[in-house]
Amino acid sequence: EIVLTQSPGTLSLSPGESATLSCRASESVSISSLAWYQQKPGHTPRLLIYGASNRATDIPDRFSGSGSGTDFTLTINRLEPEDFAVYYCQQYGSSPPMYTFGQGTRLEI
Amino acid sequence: EVQLVESGGGLAQPGGSLRLSCATSGLTFTTYAMNWVRQAPGKGLEWLAYVSSSGTNRYYADSVRGRFTISKDDAKDSLILQMNRLRAEDTAVYYCAIIPYFWGQGTLVTVSS
Repeated sequence: EIVLTQSPGTLSLSPGESATLSCRASESVSISSLAWYQQKPGHTPRLLIYGASNRATDIPDRFSGSGSGTDFTLTINRLEPEDFAVYYCQQYGSSPPMYTFGQGTRLEI
Repeated sequence: EVQLVESGGGLAQPGGSLRLSCATSGLTFTTYAMNWVRQAPGKGLEWLAYVSSSGTNRYYADSVRGRFTISKDDAKDSLILQMNRLRAEDTAVYYCAIIPYFWGQGTLVTVSS
C-alpha cells in the first residue's frame, strides 16, 4: 500500500499570499496518477488537479500541480478568502487499486 | 451531467448490518470502475473499496476487508456497499466515487447502541 504524507499539517497565510502544499509518496506513483482535492466543512471533496498537473473543470489557474515519482506539490497563488479549506492528495494508479489519501493540509487564515 | 446519489445510511447497532446504494446517471455505468470512500467525523478521507468496470475484480482497505462487500448492479446502474459486523469506528459519511473525477454527496452512517 502506498502511503502519502502531506506537509505541513496546517498552513497559516493571508489573502493575496501564495501557498505551497507538499505530498510525498512511500513509493513511486505510476503514470502521475495523483489528484488534489479541496474540502470545506460539510461538503464533498472538490477535485482540483488530476494527473499531477491537470486542472479540473472550472478550477482557476491560481491552482497548479506539479511533481512526479514520489514528490508532488500543489501551489495556490494569490490566495482568495474562499481558498481557506482542507486539501488532500490521493494516488489512484497503484496496482492492485488501493487508492490511498494523504492525511490532509489545513490552510487557514 | 454525471450524478452519483448515495442512499441507505442511518443508525445501526454494533454488530449489525447496513446496505448502501449509489444511483448513477449521465454515464455508461458498465464502463466505469467505482469506489467507496468514507470520512469519520472530524477526520480525513479514507479509501475503502474498489470494483472494476466489469464487477469482476474487487479490492478493499484492511479496515473493512472481510466485513464489507462492494458490488455493481448493472441493471440499475447502481453501486452497492454491503456492510456487516459494524463497529463504532465505522461511523462516517460514506461517498461513492469514480476516482478522481466524480463524487456523490455522501450518506451518513452512525453505529451506536
